[in-house]
Amino acid sequence: GIQVEQSPPDLILQEGANSTLRCNFSDSVNNLQWFHQNPWGQLINLFYIPSGTKQNGRLSATTVATERYSLLYISSSQTTDSGVYFCAVAPYNQGGKLIFGQGTELSVKP
Amino acid sequence: DGGITQSPKYLFRKEGQNVTLSCEQNLNHDAMYWYRQDPGQGLRLIYYSQIVNDFQKGDIAEGYSVSREKKESFPLTVTSAQKNPTAFYLCASSTAAGRMWGNQPQHFGDGTRLSIL
Repeated sequence: GIQVEQSPPDLILQEGANSTLRCNFSDSVNNLQWFHQNPWGQLINLFYIPSGTKQNGRLSATTVATERYSLLYISSSQTTDSGVYFCAVAPYNQGGKLIFGQGTELSVKP
Repeated sequence: DGGITQSPKYLFRKEGQNVTLSCEQNLNHDAMYWYRQDPGQGLRLIYYSQIVNDFQKGDIAEGYSVSREKKESFPLTVTSAQKNPTAFYLCASSTAAGRMWGNQPQHFGDGTRLSIL
């Protein structure tokens, strides 16, 4: 089945720093989403981005579907950005199910 | 407000007992999903349903059962056959636009934490 790899697995930043999270996937996909899981376990939709580039405030994402990767950029990080960031993809012809990566755990220090 | 409501937030199961987790959505979404998350891991799909009265097994369906009698509701039962039920369970929903339904974004509830007594 399709493999989803995220890097780095852990990241510690000083408040105000910028970062890039990467998601590689092993086959063509129908859908790609980035999520932020906060310390209470809530999974927050960040981007629905099967291809192209999107921006939302300090966050932006780019997916290059032909090269099978996606990047999540966090600029001017804040302590509230801490948590786990997941990339999830939906393979074609598999009923919409999402395959999740293992996540990147981000800790932003004040 | 539109959204997905999961209940309860915390649930404890005794050995040999079945428990049912509730998931209700008022987003008018056709498709609904159940995922399991173990500590330090990503989510894995248990069951999904594209329409009422139809559902399909996901990657880890053994020891679980579901029903989809109403569009708004997709309850998950963790049976006694599930030997390691302690986990965080998340329900999701999405629109399902015919053959293209797999490319619709999924929205998640706040989850239920299940533990064994």
